[in-house]
Amino acid sequence: DIQMTQSPSSLSASVGDRVTIACRASQDIANYLNWYQHKSGRPPKLLISAASTLQSGVPSRFSGSGSGTYFTLTISRLQPEDFATYYCQQSYSTPSVTFGGGTKVE
Amino acid sequence: QVRLVESGGGVVQTEKALTLSCVVSGFTFSRHAIHWVRQAPGKGLEWVAVISSDGTLDYYGDSVNGRFRISRDNFKNTLYLQMNSLRRDDTAIYYCAREADGALDFWGQGTLVTVSS
Repeated sequence: DIQMTQSPSSLSASVGDRVTIACRASQDIANYLNWYQHKSGRPPKLLISAASTLQSGVPSRFSGSGSGTYFTLTISRLQPEDFATYYCQQSYSTPSVTFGGGTKVE
Repeated sequence: QVRLVESGGGVVQTEKALTLSCVVSGFTFSRHAIHWVRQAPGKGLEWVAVISSDGTLDYYGDSVNGRFRISRDNFKNTLYLQMNSLRRDDTAIYYCAREADGALDFWGQGTLVTVSS
């Protein structure tokens, strides 16, 4: 099974900060990596697919990069609505998928 | 407008069974694989199961394999999750989600399952 490890598990940031979250895969997954934002009481929201493709309607301050085993999600200037938990998810082993453990931005 | 609406959650005793449903609208249901994903209290997202667009293939996470069964009715635009031999650690919010090229692009609001002795 492919394991996904996110770091850090939580981080403290302020509005306007640049935030970077890392996700590491236990094996090469090419660019089969997606990022989600999850706020309490709401369903997860797909932000980025295929490592770097921003979904429609997602602000351009979000960006994703990486390939192989190391990926990052960057928020260029943190906004109040960005405080949430972020998850990476590999789809290399589709149909089964795996989520990272999550990074809480607070 | 794509919508997925889960139902069937509630409080259930350990070792009992429960079936969740997910009714979808706004897209061609039979063209997409659909997943169940759950979040236990204070925990992260955990993938539960997936079923292929035509319903012929299904896969499960290790923690539910052999106890849960995913199915679908493409005429009713409905996904199901039959959960047997429930354990306390199955307590979670259960989400259904549409797959598009490996990403889960639309999610339901979730339904809460509480397993209690």
